[in-house]
Amino acid sequence: KNQVEQSPQSLIILEGKNCTLQCNYTVSPFSNLRWYKQDTGRGPVSLTIMTFSENTKSNGRYTATLDADTKQSSLHITASQLSDSASYICVVSAHQAGTALIFGKGTTLSVSS
Amino acid sequence: NAGVTQTPKFRVLKTGQSMTLLCAQDMNHEYMYWYRQDPGMGLRLIHYSVGEGTTAKGEVPDGYNVSRLKKQNFLLGLESAAPSQTSVYFCASSYSRQGLNTEAFFGQGTRLTVV
Repeated sequence: KNQVEQSPQSLIILEGKNCTLQCNYTVSPFSNLRWYKQDTGRGPVSLTIMTFSENTKSNGRYTATLDADTKQSSLHITASQLSDSASYICVVSAHQAGTALIFGKGTTLSVSS
Repeated sequence: NAGVTQTPKFRVLKTGQSMTLLCAQDMNHEYMYWYRQDPGMGLRLIHYSVGEGTTAKGEVPDGYNVSRLKKQNFLLGLESAAPSQTSVYFCASSYSRQGLNTEAFFGQGTRLTVV
């Protein structure tokens, strides 16, 4: 069964600190892996999309890594800001139409001052 | 540029009532999707459309109907609302199917409560 598991479920860090969120998946056939940021009361917004051949991708202070062999990904946030408080969702895409996106449950990050 | 707009943002329904959620996109995208998001669960696909006049079932289609009469609009209908349909509903659109490396854009969500 195609699944995406994220850890931790929630995380609290101080402003200015770094953090890393984890994503493990069992999706086949794999097409790409995405990280989304979802602010409270808003829709998800894409941070990165990585294909099988890419093992790292950055978007400002966000850096995603992908290990397609172990089927693991991480999202590293550098020098966190209060505005980083949100849910971060790992999404894996399979090579098929329609139901191609498999969503993780998300990691809720709270950045405090 | 509005992107993906959902109407309404909030709604409370009584069990058995019907309603239609509207999704509009101004990016000329072929593909449109309806998801629901429940606490402790990832987004789940309800129905999707690969172009004007076409619709298909997703993972959790029961109790919902959809229509795509115009390319820019995708409607989600609840004929007889049930408390189990209390959820946050998201519409999304993309240029091509989401299995490819194309960006998917989401609306701001509709929070629906069925009492």
